[in-house]
Amino acid sequence: DTAVSQTPKYLVTQMGNDKSIKCEQNLGHDTMYWYKQDSKKFLKIMFSYNNKELIINETVPNRFSPKSPDKAHLNLHINSLELGDSAVYFCASSHRTSGGISSYNEQFFGPGTRLTVL
Amino acid sequence: EDKVVQSPLSLVVHEGDTVTLNCSYEVTNFRSLLWYKQEKKAPTFLFMLTSSGIEKKSGRLSSILDKKELFSILNITATQTGDSAVYLCAAYNTNAGKSTFGDGTTLTVKP
Repeated sequence: DTAVSQTPKYLVTQMGNDKSIKCEQNLGHDTMYWYKQDSKKFLKIMFSYNNKELIINETVPNRFSPKSPDKAHLNLHINSLELGDSAVYFCASSHRTSGGISSYNEQFFGPGTRLTVL
Repeated sequence: EDKVVQSPLSLVVHEGDTVTLNCSYEVTNFRSLLWYKQEKKAPTFLFMLTSSGIEKKSGRLSSILDKKELFSILNITATQTGDSAVYLCAAYNTNAGKSTFGDGTTLTVKP
């Protein structure tokens, strides 16, 4: 069973379109993340949710809107796609606390969604 | 702002060589230093370090943390072509609830 899954794996779309990427984890983690990795392999955090609550919102255009319907899911919706949005988007999950103790943040990553904006 | 710097950015070696990858960090409320390996797809977890001087080992890979000098190293001995990957280091800020990743070291092992 896949621990962290993302759909779709590939997304090719035109500028100006709106698209969504979905993420699910079956690890029982309480925290989920979205990262963007550009062509130079720099991995930058975008958002983090802990128990469905937004806790990290880095400097990301407001065209990007995450939604967490429950602890196991974190989706990313992108409006008005631009060329510069082309990248690989990774979802990840971890425990923030375990047994009331702050975790060490070992993260499990999904397979990534390669977004290409034409 | 939290910062993680890895060096070198890239490295090309031959099979059998030993490599050392470096990671330095400046992170408030530091709790852990994590190493990941990224081949073609997603980063996969290698090590988590929280205490200075205690070496973590997994096969030919080992890692150690120095919390006084704020750095960690990842050693790979007797490298194989399958070790070719991007190695990412991340430092976890427990108050902010996020890990800051370095820019990675791209390791290429030639036959």
